[in-house]
Amino acid sequence: EAGVAQSPRYKIIEKRQSVAFWCNPISGHATLYWYQQILGQGPKLLIQFQNNGVVDDSQLPKDRFSAERLKGVDSTLKIQPAKLEDSAVYLCASSPAGEISQETQYFGPGTRLLVL
Amino acid sequence: EDQVTQSPEALRLQEGESSSLNCSYTVSGLRGLFWYRQDPGKGPEFLFTLYSAGEEKEKERLKATLTKKESFLHITAPKPEDSATYLCAVQPGSSNTGKLIFGQGTTLQVKP
Repeated sequence: EAGVAQSPRYKIIEKRQSVAFWCNPISGHATLYWYQQILGQGPKLLIQFQNNGVVDDSQLPKDRFSAERLKGVDSTLKIQPAKLEDSAVYLCASSPAGEISQETQYFGPGTRLLVL
Repeated sequence: EDQVTQSPEALRLQEGESSSLNCSYTVSGLRGLFWYRQDPGKGPEFLFTLYSAGEEKEKERLKATLTKKESFLHITAPKPEDSATYLCAVQPGSSNTGKLIFGQGTTLQVKP
């Protein structure tokens, strides 16, 4: 079974530029998550989708971050404009449909963003 | 406020030297506690889920336990390939979503 796919793996941009990340979850997984992991810290949830609807985006900086999950499969996360403090690893995770709570989340390899 | 604290931040062991990693949590109800392993440059890899106090789970040299306030990850006779960052995460009972709250991780180095 293929895992969670993410691209690009690395991205270097200058502040105030825009950037987009792509995620393809495990086949058949209805729930998709985007996390931000700053160096030396644990991942922090940015947004959670159930199929193509947003379940939780309470920690998403909506003035600069946006995300969508068209057709309930792939998802994109965009930052516009980027700030220096956005330098981090952006992790995508997915879990099967059903009882959202208590379900194991499976993570992709992440996209490493450096903002100069 | 829901919070997860892991200790120590870093741990160096000799091969074969057993030890334990701690995960203390403050959460409004607990739906589940998760342990993940993260290698440099990779995403977290799922290890265990624990749901209630007294529960234990094992996988090779790893054993996870859970009490009402903390969880331990015991590593028995570690090998160099066990070197990684170990992340603990909780799912609060106050949330009906799958939100995970992570600790900062413990970086384990096992020397041959």
